[in-house]
Amino acid sequence: QVQLVQSAAEVKKPGASVKVSCKASGYTFTSYDINWVRQATGQGLEWMGWTNPKSGSIGYAQNFQGRVTMTRDTSISTVYMELSSLRSEDTAVYYCARGPTGNDYYYMDVWGQGTTVTVSS
Amino acid sequence: SSELTQDPAVSVALGQTVRITCQGDNLRSYYASWYQQKPGQAPVLVIYDKNDRPSGIPDRFSGSSSGNTASLTITGAQAEDEADYYCNSRDSSGNHLVFGGGTKLTVL
Repeated sequence: QVQLVQSAAEVKKPGASVKVSCKASGYTFTSYDINWVRQATGQGLEWMGWTNPKSGSIGYAQNFQGRVTMTRDTSISTVYMELSSLRSEDTAVYYCARGPTGNDYYYMDVWGQGTTVTVSS
Repeated sequence: SSELTQDPAVSVALGQTVRITCQGDNLRSYYASWYQQKPGQAPVLVIYDKNDRPSGIPDRFSGSSSGNTASLTITGAQAEDEADYYCNSRDSSGNHLVFGGGTKLTVL
């Protein structure tokens, strides 16, 4: 079945970086975008950016420009999201989600289980 | 600040109809998609392309759009529909996505 499986929870100190992985299975990896969305405890969903696994093209939300890097490894159908210069406000659950490449009317139809990132000294 | 505006909370009596709205100028150009999220779970897509439902989503969920407002309607709300609902669309640039702030639905 179509699924996205994310890496395990992480605990990081302020100023460090974290790299979360998202492994796709059950569909053609290069046929869909992968988005990253985060959610702080008790807060709403926040879109961070996307990557096209086929071309490697990326787009980052302005709030994360300069701090986030999204990459992919097509040989293992995996996308990575690295967030640097972590601060306590980055403590959240991070989700990856699949989206239809090039579709004007965008949506995210398959979601990973989420990865909890805790930033604490 | 979010470019999509949702009411923070809405309630509905069991079996009645409820509409959850999402407002934003970008909705004049792009349809919204809608997501249901229950506590401790990942979001689930319930409506896309204005009024299409993924497989497995009950037909009591429907979507519509007019001007700068997208709506999610639940006809005959069930107890299991109690959740947070988020709209999402491309932003005004068309190159990024944005979520609404979310609406907490309580089924009474």
